[in-house]
Amino acid sequence: DIQMTQSPASLSASLGETVTIECRASEDIYNGLAWYQQKPGKSPQLLIYNANSLHTGVPSRFSGSGSGTQYSLKINSLQSEDVASYFCQQYYDYPPFGSGTKLEIK
Amino acid sequence: QVQLMESGPGLVQPSETLSLTCTVSGFSLTSYNVHWVRQPPGKGLEWMGVMWSGGSTDYNSALKSRLSISRDTSKNQVFLKMNSLQSEDTTTYYCARTGSSYYFDYWGQGVMVTVSS
Repeated sequence: DIQMTQSPASLSASLGETVTIECRASEDIYNGLAWYQQKPGKSPQLLIYNANSLHTGVPSRFSGSGSGTQYSLKINSLQSEDVASYFCQQYYDYPPFGSGTKLEIK
Repeated sequence: QVQLMESGPGLVQPSETLSLTCTVSGFSLTSYNVHWVRQPPGKGLEWMGVMWSGGSTDYNSALKSRLSISRDTSKNQVFLKMNSLQSEDTTTYYCARTGSSYYFDYWGQGVMVTVSS
């Protein structure tokens, strides 16, 4: 099984700041990585797929990068509506999900 | 437009069997895969299993002995049955879609299930 290590577990940042969330896979996942945003009481929503492709309708302040075993999600110009939990998912093998990052506004 | 909607009982007795239905619209079950994912309150996402577009299934090895996923393509429905429920199965259950690349592009709204007597 591929293990996904996501960090940090929680994050507090100011409005307008840039934040980065990382996921590390236990082996190469060949860019098979997606990022999801989950707001309180809602289902997860796809942000990024194939490590760096922005899903339709997702604001351009969200971006993904990485390769091999190391991947990151960057949020530029943090907005209040970005308060949520963020999960990575590898789709090279199962089980797929990282443990999540809870993002709050400072 | 693409939609998935979970339905099922909100309360299940310990040791009983959970039955959930995912009703889909806007796409064909023979072209897309439908997964079940669950999430305990305040915790992370756990993949449970998948009904592949071709009709076969795969399960999380930790749940495999208790879990069954089936479908009725004529009704656009995918079913989850899990037996021997315990308190740790109290969680929100989601169905979600993947295509040929296995990221989840659409999710249902989720159904909260409580296991309690």
